[in-house]
Amino acid sequence: NAGVTQTPKFQVLKTGQSMTLQCAQDMNHNSMYWYRQDPGMGLRLIYYSASEGTTDKGEVPNGYNVSRLNKREFSLRLESAAPSQTSVYFCAAQANLQETQYFGPGTRLLVL
Amino acid sequence: AQSVTQPDIHITVSEGASLELRCNYSYGATPYLFWYVQSPGQGLQLLLKYFSGDTLVQGIKGFEAEFKRSQSSFNLRKPSVHWSDAAEYFCAVGANYGQNFVFGPGTRLSVLP
Repeated sequence: NAGVTQTPKFQVLKTGQSMTLQCAQDMNHNSMYWYRQDPGMGLRLIYYSASEGTTDKGEVPNGYNVSRLNKREFSLRLESAAPSQTSVYFCAAQANLQETQYFGPGTRLLVL
Repeated sequence: AQSVTQPDIHITVSEGASLELRCNYSYGATPYLFWYVQSPGQGLQLLLKYFSGDTLVQGIKGFEAEFKRSQSSFNLRKPSVHWSDAAEYFCAVGANYGQNFVFGPGTRLSVLP
């Protein structure tokens, strides 16, 4: 039982390159989330998926797209990376609104 | 939409001293409230949560928090801090509809030996 896993752990991109961050959970939770963490700003919600087949924008969705491939997997795509997207990205899974969110270990992304 | 403030960016306490981390929220209804801890280079771990009922909630690692509706606060406390408690602490507010969690900016705790 791995909980929430994220790949890759580290990535360096050049401005304009694209990439997909992968997230998978083995807890059979309905909801999944993508956050970015920047110094002094806490975690900000990028996108979330309340259930398989649905996705919604969070606080900072611009420049990102997501796919809820199935109940287990929720990917985050940067189509054209910008230096402002340099951050640590966390994926989380949650059974329902009254339960805790379980976080993955994070992906550190540097955009040059 | 809800919002969260954590007035203290950085707090330093001596090992064995008591600790209180402040959290204030803004939300029109009764919120779901959480405290998470993040050790360096790690993901977030839930310390405790409040949904309803008893306003004093107990969490892991000897932490507790008290929900005060009149003050819109959910402060985290620990009677005696251990060196291993040095980390960053995040307060979060969840709405009772939708999925839009909001995290505070975090408070970094340093513990002196």
